[in-house]
Amino acid sequence: AQSVTQPDIHITVSEGASLELRCNYSYGATPYLFWYVQSPGQGLQLLLKYFSGDTLVQGIKGFEAEFKRSQSSFNLRKPSVHWSDAAEYFCAVRPHTGTASKLTFGTGTRLQVTL
Amino acid sequence: NAGVTQTPKFRVLKTGQSMTLLCAQDMNHEYMYWYRQDPGMGLRLIHYSVGEGTTAKGEVPDGYNVSRLKKQNFLLGLESAAPSQTSVYFCASSTDPGRRIPGRTLDQQFFGPGTRLTVL
Repeated sequence: AQSVTQPDIHITVSEGASLELRCNYSYGATPYLFWYVQSPGQGLQLLLKYFSGDTLVQGIKGFEAEFKRSQSSFNLRKPSVHWSDAAEYFCAVRPHTGTASKLTFGTGTRLQVTL
Repeated sequence: NAGVTQTPKFRVLKTGQSMTLLCAQDMNHEYMYWYRQDPGMGLRLIHYSVGEGTTAKGEVPDGYNVSRLKKQNFLLGLESAAPSQTSVYFCASSTDPGRRIPGRTLDQQFFGPGTRLTVL
């Protein structure tokens, strides 16, 4: 079964600083990979996804993520964080095969942005 | 186009009471899902449905039942609520992940705003 690890529970960065949120997955083959963001009191919104092809994926709100097969990682990055980026971020994976799009989520990383 | 909606937004129950959470989507999605979110545990899949009239168990199905009588609705029921079911519940929907249209990637789950349930 696949699993996802987000080793950082909580990260604090200053506004304007760069950001990298870590995600490692465990799966027998290359899965589909996703990053979601959850603002306080809200549902989850998809930031970006990787299916195949170019390993650097661009998403919304200026985020990008890089798939590294050798490291089983899919880290999320942003060059300059804005105060509105404060939220919880979830990495998720699902297998290529199967009858349902069953996502496995990491435990999340809460991002705090200081002014 | 409202996307995925959930009712109610908040609910407090006493142990042993029953209730039903309603999820509705207007995107004509075949697949629908119910998750629960607990601190430090991310989202865990309770039940899902791959089409009208079909349901299947997810990772944590015990204590819950679901029904998909209409394509646009997915109901989650708690027959006898327990304090361990205190959580935030999210519904999601997606197109059939097995369906491919050239030039488009369809495999994305859309989430509702959540229902915060407290069981005393």
